Amino acid sequence: AQSVTQLDSQVPVFEEAPVELRCNYSSSVSVYLFWYVQYPNQGLQLLLKYLSGSTLVESINGFEAEFNKSQTSFHLRKPSVHISDTAEYFCAVRGTGNQFYFGTGTSLTVIP
Amino acid sequence: DAGITQSPRHKVTETGTPVTLRCHQTENHRYMYWYRQDPGHGLRLIHYSYGVKDTDKGEVSDGYSVSRSKTEDFLLTLESATSSQTSVYFCASRENTEAFFGQGTRLTVV
Repeated sequence: AQSVTQLDSQVPVFEEAPVELRCNYSSSVSVYLFWYVQYPNQGLQLLLKYLSGSTLVESINGFEAEFNKSQTSFHLRKPSVHISDTAEYFCAVRGTGNQFYFGTGTSLTVIP
Repeated sequence: DAGITQSPRHKVTETGTPVTLRCHQTENHRYMYWYRQDPGHGLRLIHYSYGVKDTDKGEVSDGYSVSRSKTEDFLLTLESATSSQTSVYFCASRENTEAFFGQGTRLTVV
């Protein structure tokens, strides 16, 4: 079984500052990697995904994540955060099987 | 967004009663999942389905059963609810790579 570790449970950051949310996963031959975002009282929405190819993937709202196979990491970054980015962020991995494995989540709070 | 509807959205029930949560999807996705979300634990898989009448257990399946008689519906049943099953339950579906989630059901067992 896979495991996913999100090292930071809470990340406060000032508006317009950069942020990095860290995610590490247990090693596997091949994996699909995901970042999901959850706004209060809502379900999870896909933010971005890595399937294969370029190790840097981007979302439409300015987030990016880099797949690093040697470090088994998939950290999420944004160069300048907005108030509207305040949410819970989940890293997830799926191997060749059907199951998704989620981290425990990182609560990002953007401070005005 | 994928059309995934969970019902009910909120429910309060008494210890020892059976409870059924429903997940309905309109995307004709093959795979469906039930997760529970608890503080400090993230999302944990309860059961999943890989086709009609084909289901398998996840990491926290004790006390839960599922049924999938049609592609679009995936039911989660708590046979005899306990306070430890107070949680937010999410359904998800998948056809290819990523999963799409419903809005969640907040279940309180008193």
